[in-house]
Amino acid sequence: LAKTTQPISMDSYEGQEVNITCSHNNIATNDYITWYQQFPSQGPRFIIQGYKTKVTNEVASLFIPADRKSSTLSLPRVSLSDTAVYYCLVGVSGGYNKLIFGAGTRLAVHP
Amino acid sequence: NAGVTQTPKFQVLKTGQSMTLQCAQDMNHNSMYWYRQDPGMGLRLIYYSASEGTTDKGEVPNGYNVSRLNKREFSLRLESAAPSQTSVYFCASSVSLAGVTDTQYFGPGTRLTVL
Repeated sequence: LAKTTQPISMDSYEGQEVNITCSHNNIATNDYITWYQQFPSQGPRFIIQGYKTKVTNEVASLFIPADRKSSTLSLPRVSLSDTAVYYCLVGVSGGYNKLIFGAGTRLAVHP
Repeated sequence: NAGVTQTPKFQVLKTGQSMTLQCAQDMNHNSMYWYRQDPGMGLRLIYYSASEGTTDKGEVPNGYNVSRLNKREFSLRLESAAPSQTSVYFCASSVSLAGVTDTQYFGPGTRLTVL
């Protein structure tokens, strides 16, 4: 199981781009990288998932370098409503027990 | 389409009391999960059910039992509550047990306090 390391907390201001990096040095060949978002008093919500290079959807972009030992979640032009905890998960498709949420990164967006 | 629903939203128990947390999903998902989240921590898996009729232990199963009543419903029971079980409990579901690539959909959570 690939262990992940993310910053405990980050601060930003409205309108800025936020990049949250996750380290996963022991990522295996079949592992995917997935990010979830959790607002206060709510359950986590899937944001984005990727295997290599770049993935973009309506919420965020995920950048994965060639060695896949890290990944960066990019949130463009954040607003106050992006204040949440962001979790990076690494695991293999079909390997159920691999879905482990660490402490995540607590993002605070200020006016 | 309500997604994943949980009842109750809040509960206070005394040590030794029992209770059942209810979870239901209307997305026709095969797999369901129970997690707990302690303050400032990530989620830890208690039990999961790959499909109707099957259940398996997760990371922290001690002190809990589960029942997969049918495809829609998955309940979590505390037989004799302890203060260490004070936490927020989340139920989740996914199409299948495909690991990290199968998106899990979470309910709103149940805040449980054991005195």
